[in-house]
Amino acid sequence: EVQLVQSGAEVKKPGESLKISCKASGYNFTNYWIGWVRQMPGKGLEWMGIISPGDSDTRYSPSFQGQVTISADKTISAAYLQWSSLKASDIANYYCARRFLGSYHPGDFDYWGQGTLVTVSS
Amino acid sequence: QSALTQPASVSGSPGQSITISCTGTSSDVGSHKLVSWYQQHPGKAPKLLIYEVSKRPSGVSNRFSGSKSGNTASLTLSGLQTEDEADYYCCSYAGTSAVFGGGTKLTVL
Repeated sequence: EVQLVQSGAEVKKPGESLKISCKASGYNFTNYWIGWVRQMPGKGLEWMGIISPGDSDTRYSPSFQGQVTISADKTISAAYLQWSSLKASDIANYYCARRFLGSYHPGDFDYWGQGTLVTVSS
Repeated sequence: QSALTQPASVSGSPGQSITISCTGTSSDVGSHKLVSWYQQHPGKAPKLLIYEVSKRPSGVSNRFSGSKSGNTASLTLSGLQTEDEADYYCCSYAGTSAVFGGGTKLTVL
């Protein structure tokens, strides 16, 4: 069974760093791109970026380029989303998702994690 | 890179059909057949309904169908059911990235 299990909710202060994770199981991790999607409270979905775990090829939305870093560790089948300095505007639920095999569209996700809520407050 | 434009809300009665539009530009929706649609119930992760404009993943009801004309893609739900009440998002290929629509809240009256 394919599963993407994300790390738990985080509460951080402005300026702090953070790295959240997405642990995959039930399939060959290196064969599928993993993407990250932001959903701010009460708002819509935003495509942030995507990584190919096999070779770490990474693409970012222009809106998120330079604001976050996406990485992956294929030895433990995990993908990561990290911030070097959080802001209050980073408060959101962050989803990881698997791009399905054979798709040319970086937004075609067939399996999703449960989401990680990030709260930033002084 | 701006979000695709969707109506904020649509509504329909059980058994009826509704259509949700998704308008982009010639740089995204209008330039290829890579448009997908998602359904999201409150507090849940999105679910893929349609990919490549009109294809349904295995297990998705054939009550959901997609189409595209020019810079506008559309999602049609036929035979509305109460469980269809949710938020719906389109998503288009945009070069090396992707862009979502702003989302449409479907209310089943």
